[in-house]
Amino acid sequence: GAVVSQHPSWVICKSGTSVKIECRSLDFQATTMFWYRQFPKQSLMLMATSNEGSKATYEQGVEKDKFLINHASLTLSTLTVTSAHPEDSSFYICSARDRKGAYEQYFGPGTRLTVT
Amino acid sequence: AQSVTQPDIHITVSEGASLELRCNYSYGATPYLFWYVQSPGQGLQLLLKYFSGDTLVQGIKGFEAEFKRSQSSFNLRKPSVHWSDAAEYFCAVGAYGNTGKLIFGQGTTLQVKP
Repeated sequence: GAVVSQHPSWVICKSGTSVKIECRSLDFQATTMFWYRQFPKQSLMLMATSNEGSKATYEQGVEKDKFLINHASLTLSTLTVTSAHPEDSSFYICSARDRKGAYEQYFGPGTRLTVT
Repeated sequence: AQSVTQPDIHITVSEGASLELRCNYSYGATPYLFWYVQSPGQGLQLLLKYFSGDTLVQGIKGFEAEFKRSQSSFNLRKPSVHWSDAAEYFCAVGAYGNTGKLIFGQGTTLQVKP
């Protein structure tokens, strides 16, 4: 149990276009989902906290208009990178918090975004 | 300020040798702690967790960790390393009562020599 999926697993897009990444909790309901960004050989940087039915809370320094987060249901959160640029290329990982559990987060497999 | 430090960026051990990965935290509130492992290009897999109770916790793949409040540490150990343990290891800390946000350490890369 406690499986989180991400789609796509990798994506290549052209500079200036937008790309959407989905994060789904497959076998549990998640009132809270988190989006992280990870640069090569570095740790995870929390971008935003996504709560179902409400606006996401962004960490300091993260552009809200560039990284649009929507948490429309208890099992789905989406991250849209708008007007992507090469510097947005990164590994994006989501996690979900089990509403029934304690404070454990279940992580998705990640999405590799390359902007050309 | 809240922080998590993994002092060792890179560790190399021989297969069969014991392993200890260090994690120190600075947190104003009562913390809960995790160790995760990440293989290249993959997501994070939970190795073990500490919320309360017995300070020595057992995890998957033969790993264990000990929470030492007095030292603000949560070091990960394994008595005999296997080649398949080569990966990136992250310590993460959260605090009860907040939004559930985790703070991650910088990570430790484990290399296993045959």
